[in-house]
Amino acid sequence: AQSVTQLGSHVSVSEGALVLLRCNYSSSVPPYLFWYVQYPNQGLQLLLKYTSAATLVKGINGFEAEFKKSETSFHLTKPSAHMSDAAEYFCAVSGGRRALTFGSGTRLQVQP
Amino acid sequence: NAGVTQTPKFQVLKTGQSMTLQCAQDMNHNSMYWYRQDPGMGLRLIYYSASEGTTDKGEVPNGYNVSRLNKREFSLRLESAAPSQTSVYFCASRSRVEETQYFGPGTRLLVL
Repeated sequence: AQSVTQLGSHVSVSEGALVLLRCNYSSSVPPYLFWYVQYPNQGLQLLLKYTSAATLVKGINGFEAEFKKSETSFHLTKPSAHMSDAAEYFCAVSGGRRALTFGSGTRLQVQP
Repeated sequence: NAGVTQTPKFQVLKTGQSMTLQCAQDMNHNSMYWYRQDPGMGLRLIYYSASEGTTDKGEVPNGYNVSRLNKREFSLRLESAAPSQTSVYFCASRSRVEETQYFGPGTRLLVL
C-alpha cells in the first residue's frame, strides 16, 4: 500500500523567495513519485516525476525535487517564487495498477 | 491532439437522478482512470481500466459504475446520485512509456 503526506495545507511566500513544499511517502515497492500543479478551475498538470533514474529531478517552470530514500521524502523547491506560481500542488506516488495515490495538496500563495 | 477530454464541464443533479460522465483520450493509451477531488483530500481513485473491456474498483467505487467502451472512451455512471457525490471528477489516461498520467479538465458535479 502507498500513502503520501504533504506537510502544510497552505504555504505563503514573498515574490522572489524560496519555495519549499514538503512531501513524504510510504510505499511497499520502489516508488515512482510525481508533483502535479492545479490552477483554479483547471485540471492537473505534471510538474516533474521521479522514476528511479537521477534522484534530483528538474521540472517545468524552474521547479525541482530531490528523492531521498532514507528520509522517504520528495520535497519540491524553486529558488525564486513568481506570482504565477500561486496554485495548488499535489504530490503523488504510483503504486499497484499504476494508479496514483495523492497527498491532500498544498496551496501556495505568493505575496507581492 | 486534444489529450484527455471530459463532458460535461458542469452539472447539477437532484438526489436520485442518474447521469453519465464522458471521457475520451486520443493518445492511444491503454490505461484510464476516474478520480474524484474533494477539498482537503486530494484525488481519490474511483475506478480503473487497464485496457478495453476491463475495469477494476479503486478506493471509493460505491455508487458508481464504469464502462470502457473502446480504447478511447471510459465513462463513469451515477445510477442514483446522492449529495455525497458532489465533487469534481477527473479522468486520466496513462502513458506506459512515460510512466505519466495525463488529466482531463474535470467535471464539476453538484447534487442537491
